[in-house]
Amino acid sequence: QQQVKQSPQSLIVQKGGIPIINCAYENTAFDYFPWYQQFPGKGPALLIAIRPDVSEKKEGRFTISFNKSAKQFSLHIMDSQPGDSATYFCAASYNSGGSNYKLTFGKGTLLTVNP
Amino acid sequence: NAGVTQTPKFRILKIGQSMTLQCAQDMNHNYMYWYRQDPGMGLKLIYYSVGAGITDKGEVPNGYNVSRSTTEDFPLRLELAAPSQTSVYFCASSSFAVGEQFFGPGTRLTVL
Repeated sequence: QQQVKQSPQSLIVQKGGIPIINCAYENTAFDYFPWYQQFPGKGPALLIAIRPDVSEKKEGRFTISFNKSAKQFSLHIMDSQPGDSATYFCAASYNSGGSNYKLTFGKGTLLTVNP
Repeated sequence: NAGVTQTPKFRILKIGQSMTLQCAQDMNHNYMYWYRQDPGMGLKLIYYSVGAGITDKGEVPNGYNVSRSTTEDFPLRLELAAPSQTSVYFCASSSFAVGEQFFGPGTRLTVL
């Protein structure tokens, strides 16, 4: 079974801190690694994504670091704000046959940024 | 554009009842998905569709059925509801097989 292991389960930081969420995978066939952000009562929304041909991608205060040899990737949030408080999911996509791709999600990290 | 819409928002079912969760998108996306989200468990893929008339099973399809007669709509049918189907259900769509998935607001279902 395809798995993506995410840690920590929850994280509390002070405003301005740099929370780091980590994910690890086993299947080397994964070739697309997105992060989704979910606020309470809402559906997840894409935050940032990376392909395995690059080691880092930045979008605003959000950075993905990717280590292909270790089969790990992580999300860093610079200068975190209370408005960043949400649940974050890492995910990985693989080709399940033909033109079919499936996303496998981690279990999520509940981030709380205190003012 | 409304994006991805889901109805109802909330529903309580009795064991053994059936219902259909509705999902519609107005972005002309070929790919549509149904996920369930349980506390601390992430999102699990139930069924997906790569276009009208084409559906396939995801990770947890048992107890569910889908159909895709149009590009816009992708209803999820629960037959003989069980307490294990208590969950939040999300529908999503995407324009490409790999890329951003746009999620609806979810349906919270309780089976008692």
